[in-house]
Amino acid sequence: AQSVTQPDIHITVSEGASLELRCNYSYGATPYLFWYVQSPGQGLQLLLKYFSGDTLVQGIKGFEAEFKRSQSSFNLRKPSVHWSDAAEYFCAVARNDMRFGAGTRLTVKP
Amino acid sequence: GAVVSQHPSWVICKSGTSVKIECRSLDFQATTMFWYRQFPKQSLMLMATSNEGSKATYEQGVEKDKFLINHASLTLSTLTVTSAHPEDSSFYICSATELTGRGNAYEQYFGPGTRLTVT
Repeated sequence: AQSVTQPDIHITVSEGASLELRCNYSYGATPYLFWYVQSPGQGLQLLLKYFSGDTLVQGIKGFEAEFKRSQSSFNLRKPSVHWSDAAEYFCAVARNDMRFGAGTRLTVKP
Repeated sequence: GAVVSQHPSWVICKSGTSVKIECRSLDFQATTMFWYRQFPKQSLMLMATSNEGSKATYEQGVEKDKFLINHASLTLSTLTVTSAHPEDSSFYICSATELTGRGNAYEQYFGPGTRLTVT
């Protein structure tokens, strides 16, 4: 069965530090991959997506993600975190429907 | 482009009443619309998938008689929570995939969500 795993429930980083949020998936074929961010009480905002081609994907707000087929991973990275990046981050995979990971809550220390 | 709206953004209703949430694709025709439910500090759980003019397909464990979904046109789907109870309080999010043209058929465009509180 298809599944998405975000191993880290909560991550705390200092402002200006680098960030990596992990996402692993289990799927019969290579799915389409997404990262979303959600601020409290708000809807989802798409950060980036991977359908095919270059495995390093650039997104909005300085985020990027790398698709690694051999590891079934699609980790999200940012070289320097800003306080405004504090939010909940969801990895998602899609084919005929979309499945979300449990989410990773990012806290940014001043 | 690819904007999805939801109305209302928040609603409070009394236990036993019904409440309807609308999901509209504003600038595209939606092949399929999805409804998700999100409890506080949890992920999104797919409730049902609906195609225009067809009955919705509900996920296992979702009561179809309680959560009525109508997808009457290519731009509008509604979710009606019938005989609402406090445990139905949640954040409901809809999404849509585009019929033709730009993007990928599997990419979903999300609405801003509706906060339902049942007292």
